[in-house]
Amino acid sequence: DAKTTQPPSMDCAEGRAANLPCNHSTISGNEYVYWYRQIHSQGPQYIIHGLKNNETNEMASLIITEDRKSSTLILPHATLRDTAVYYCIVRSGVYGQNFVFGPGTRLSVLP
Amino acid sequence: NAGVTQTPKFRVLKTGQSMTLLCAQDMNHEYMYWYRQDPGMGLRLIHYSVGEGTTAKGEVPDGYNVSRLKKQNFLLGLESAAPSQTSVYFCASSYPSRDRVQSYEQYFGPGTRLTVT
Repeated sequence: DAKTTQPPSMDCAEGRAANLPCNHSTISGNEYVYWYRQIHSQGPQYIIHGLKNNETNEMASLIITEDRKSSTLILPHATLRDTAVYYCIVRSGVYGQNFVFGPGTRLSVLP
Repeated sequence: NAGVTQTPKFRVLKTGQSMTLLCAQDMNHEYMYWYRQDPGMGLRLIHYSVGEGTTAKGEVPDGYNVSRLKKQNFLLGLESAAPSQTSVYFCASSYPSRDRVQSYEQYFGPGTRLTVT
C-alpha cells in the first residue's frame, strides 16, 4: 500500500484559499487518492477523490501531479467551520479495505 | 436517508464485561467496516464485510468479533473488554459508488465512545 506524508499542522486566514499538500511517492497505477476530514470528534467526512485528473466538487478541488507522486487539496474560501484534521489516503485493496488513515494535517482557520 | 447510524453513542464497561456495538446503513451499500480511533491517532481497521454473511479481519482484529447477518447491519462484539479497548469506534459503509468508476468512497457514522475501566 502506498503511504502518504502530510504536514502535521497548517494555519489559514478566513476567506483565503487553504492548500493542503500530500506526498504519496510510492503510489501505484490503480490506486486512488482520497481526502477526508474530521471535525472535532465526529466521524470522518468524505471530501473528494481522484485517480489521475484534477477533480472539483462543491467542497474542494484536488490537484494531482502528472507523475501522481503528490497531490494538493484546495479549499477555495476557507471558513472557521473548515477547521479540522484533513486526511490524505491512498486506497487499495480489492474491496477498498486498505483505507489507511495516518495522523493527517490539523488545519486551523483563523479569523 | 439517515446514512450510517451507530448505537450506543457512549458506553462505560468494566474489565471482562461484554457488549455489542450496532452499525446500520440505509444506502444499500455492500461493504461495511469497523474502525477504532485512539486519542491523537488516525483510524485503524478492525474488521470489514463485503456482503451479507461474510466478514474479514483488518489491521487490529484481536479481541473483537463481528457479524453481518443482514445487509444493512454490521455488529461489533467485545467478548471480554479490556482497558486497551478504550477508544472511539467508527463504522463505515461503501459501494456501490455514485459514479461509474468503482471508487469505494466510505461514509462514516458518528462514532461510539467506549471506556473500559
